[in-house]
Amino acid sequence: AQTVTQSQPEMSVQEAETVTLSCTYDTSESDYYLFWYKQPPSRQMILVIRQEAYKQQNATENRFSVNFQKAAKSFSLKISDSQLGDAAMYFCAYTYMNRDDKIIFGKGTRLHILP
Amino acid sequence: NAGVTQTPKFQVLKTGQSMTLQCAQDMNHNSMYWYRQDPGMGLRLIYYSASEGTTDKGEVPNGYNVSRLNKREFSLRLESAAPSQTSVYFCASSESWGDNEQFFGPGTRLTVL
Repeated sequence: AQTVTQSQPEMSVQEAETVTLSCTYDTSESDYYLFWYKQPPSRQMILVIRQEAYKQQNATENRFSVNFQKAAKSFSLKISDSQLGDAAMYFCAYTYMNRDDKIIFGKGTRLHILP
Repeated sequence: NAGVTQTPKFQVLKTGQSMTLQCAQDMNHNSMYWYRQDPGMGLRLIYYSASEGTTDKGEVPNGYNVSRLNKREFSLRLESAAPSQTSVYFCASSESWGDNEQFFGPGTRLTVL
């Protein structure tokens, strides 16, 4: 069965510094998507970044980038120049490609930004 | 374009009461989902609807029922609420082919006393 593991329940980073959130997953599929979602106190789920498994190049979205290592089944999120607005729960997620199927989430990492 | 909307935002029920959570999306998505979020548990899938006219159980379906009223709307019903159903509920939708990115509603915080 597919699983997603986030081993860091909470993390803290100083404002303007860089932080990396870890995510590992387990699957026997070769084609899939990986996502990082942000959930601020407003509770809305916001897609931060996504990665297609067939793409070797790591996805980047402004200050957010990922380190995707397919062989190791690792998908970490790097936040550069951390801002107070980055404080939130971050969920790593996995879903199959080209299938009407559900998305599998990790348990989340709560990120604190220290001023 | 409102995306995914949910009503109500907050609800308090007594044990044994029933209620329906409403969800609607205006993105013409085929698939819709109901999740619950509990501390330390992440999001858990309750039910999903891959397309209009179909519904399937997810990871934690017991105590819930769903109705895919039409392509836009997907409701979640608690027939006899229990304290264990105290949670935050999220509705989501996605395209049915190719892109499995899901778009989420703002959530409903439900407390069962």
